[in-house]
Amino acid sequence: QVQLVQSGAEVKKPGASVNVSCKASGYTFTNYFLHWVRQAPGQGLEWMGIINPGGGSTNYAQKFQGRITMTRDTSTSTVYMEVSSLTSEDTAVYYCARDGVAAPAKRYFDYWGQGTLVTVSS
Amino acid sequence: QSALTQPASVSGSPGQSITISCTGTSSDVGSYNLVSWYQQHPGKAPKLMIYEGSKRPSGVSNRFSGSKSGNTASLTISGLQAEDEADYYCCTYAGSSSFVFGTGTKVTVL
Repeated sequence: QVQLVQSGAEVKKPGASVNVSCKASGYTFTNYFLHWVRQAPGQGLEWMGIINPGGGSTNYAQKFQGRITMTRDTSTSTVYMEVSSLTSEDTAVYYCARDGVAAPAKRYFDYWGQGTLVTVSS
Repeated sequence: QSALTQPASVSGSPGQSITISCTGTSSDVGSYNLVSWYQQHPGKAPKLMIYEGSKRPSGVSNRFSGSKSGNTASLTISGLQAEDEADYYCCTYAGSSSFVFGTGTKVTVL
């Protein structure tokens, strides 16, 4: 069965960077795009960007360009997202989610990770 | 890219039907038949309920249905049940490999 397992909670100081991982299993890793979505406390969902695990290409929401980097390791079926220059506004649960259609289509999110809480506090 | 507009809250009694709207623009909702809907219970990850406007994933109750007219998509829950109480989010492909979510709607079962 498809599973996305994310890394554990993080506490970071303002100005630092955080790296969140998402390990995929139960399907061919390189065949489906993976997205990152975040949710600040009490707030809605926010799409951050997408990575093609096959070729490594990425596309980031304009709001996050220059501050996030998505990478993948095909040997371990894991995608990573680094968020730099953290502020308190980045305190949120970060989710990875698989696209529901085989690449190169991008349609919707059918499987989600359990979420990773990132807390930014001095 | 601005968030799609949803009502903050919708409520209904058990057995009733409710509809949640999701309004975008001609550049996103109006341009693609790629609206999806997600249910989120407190402390849980979102769950896909509707994709490509009106399709239901396997395992999702047929009480959930989706539609679209112009720049507005809608999710209807018929035969409302206590377990339907949750937050609901719409989302659409917005071109250039980007997506945008709605503002979210809290559904309360009275």
